[in-house]
Amino acid sequence: TQLLEQSPQFLSIQEGENLTVYCNSSSVFSSLQWYRQEPGEGPVLLVTVVTGGEVKKLKRLTFQFGDARKDSSLHITAAQPGDTGLYLCAGAAGNNRLAFGKGNQVVVIP
Amino acid sequence: GAVVSQHPSRVICKSGTSVKIECRSLDFQATTMFWYRQFPKQSLMLMATSNEGSKATYEQGVEKDKFLINHASLTLSTLTVTSAHPEDSSFYICSARDLRRGLDNEQFFGPGTRLTVL
Repeated sequence: TQLLEQSPQFLSIQEGENLTVYCNSSSVFSSLQWYRQEPGEGPVLLVTVVTGGEVKKLKRLTFQFGDARKDSSLHITAAQPGDTGLYLCAGAAGNNRLAFGKGNQVVVIP
Repeated sequence: GAVVSQHPSRVICKSGTSVKIECRSLDFQATTMFWYRQFPKQSLMLMATSNEGSKATYEQGVEKDKFLINHASLTLSTLTVTSAHPEDSSFYICSARDLRRGLDNEQFFGPGTRLTVL
């Protein structure tokens, strides 16, 4: 059973459009991280959300942590080709480990 | 800050040989490092947790005698794939925690090592 479910798995949009991807779980997390990974590279940490209901912005990316700290969303405004990548959410899984979702593959078409 | 490097970035080896991959935290000390493998179009799968000065903790199903981990210092962990076979071909990624900055659960990842076993 996947601890974190990410949806949609794959999303292709035109440059300039908005998109939202989701990370859901039945478990409560003390924090959730979002990473972006490009082909052939390691994941890069984008943001950590800690407080239920918290909203964090990183330029055109808006991250929200659910009130119950079980889910999170990532909204991209006016997507650019540079936003293309695999977006991974991760939460604490005990013993200092992180559990990763399967990722949201986002493709922004110029 | 919080930069993690891996070496080599890409390696091709013959079946039966051993390959060592290094993971270094460049600007911080990492008491804990993690090793993941990732197959094409899939997420990261944790292989083991590497603790400085002690034995690594392996995830279920990961052979500790095949994937040898040594965390010799606060800035270096190595993963040795022993007697590699084609099914070991994968993208291996390490990460490290820096408890002095950010939050406990944040991990900083290296750029990965692409291993191809012929």
